[in-house]
Amino acid sequence: DVKVTQSSRYLVKRTGEKVFLECVQDMDHENMFWYRQDPGLGLRLIYFSYDVKMKEKGDIPEGYSVSREKKERFSLILESASTNQTSMYLCASSLRGLSSYEQYFGPGTRLTVT
Amino acid sequence: DQQVKQNSPSLSVQEGRISILNCDYTNSMFDYFLWYKKYPAEGPTFLISISSIKDKNEDGRFTVFLNKSAKHLSLHIVPSQPGDSAVYFCAASVWTGNQFYFGTGTSLTVIP
Repeated sequence: DVKVTQSSRYLVKRTGEKVFLECVQDMDHENMFWYRQDPGLGLRLIYFSYDVKMKEKGDIPEGYSVSREKKERFSLILESASTNQTSMYLCASSLRGLSSYEQYFGPGTRLTVT
Repeated sequence: DQQVKQNSPSLSVQEGRISILNCDYTNSMFDYFLWYKKYPAEGPTFLISISSIKDKNEDGRFTVFLNKSAKHLSLHIVPSQPGDSAVYFCAASVWTGNQFYFGTGTSLTVIP
């Protein structure tokens, strides 16, 4: 079974803090993704990575950065947290090939910025 | 701009009856579609998929229908069970792409 783990289930941070969200997958997937889920907006893609040290912006990258130094690990960084970044953050991974593959999600991190 | 839309935020169905969840998309390049199910405090889990070369795909109690001309897909759950109560997301992709576009979700409640 694919396992995607996220470092924290719940996180509370102050405005202006630098925040790191970590994601690890154990199935040797090439692709990894970071989404945020908000009521009425569904899942929106922040960044994805299709290989180590490679990254692509998603639909809402502003205020975020990412790091992928190892294949199994994908980090989301909030450089200076703001209250509008309070959200559920979901990490996912998938195989990469000539076609799309289903994504496997972690349990999510509920981030509150005060 | 939302390329995948689920216009019903919520749906309630009696146990044993059919649940029909709908999804519309705007991008005619999409040719691969998935449904995910999400329980509270858990990540979404893959449920069923369909490619544009088909108009129907069935897996047990779950059937997905695709109407390409209308850019519409639907998920049928028959019979509905209380354990099906969850938020359902549809997602769409270009077959050769890596990015999925998700809808806003429909919260299904199955009443015992």
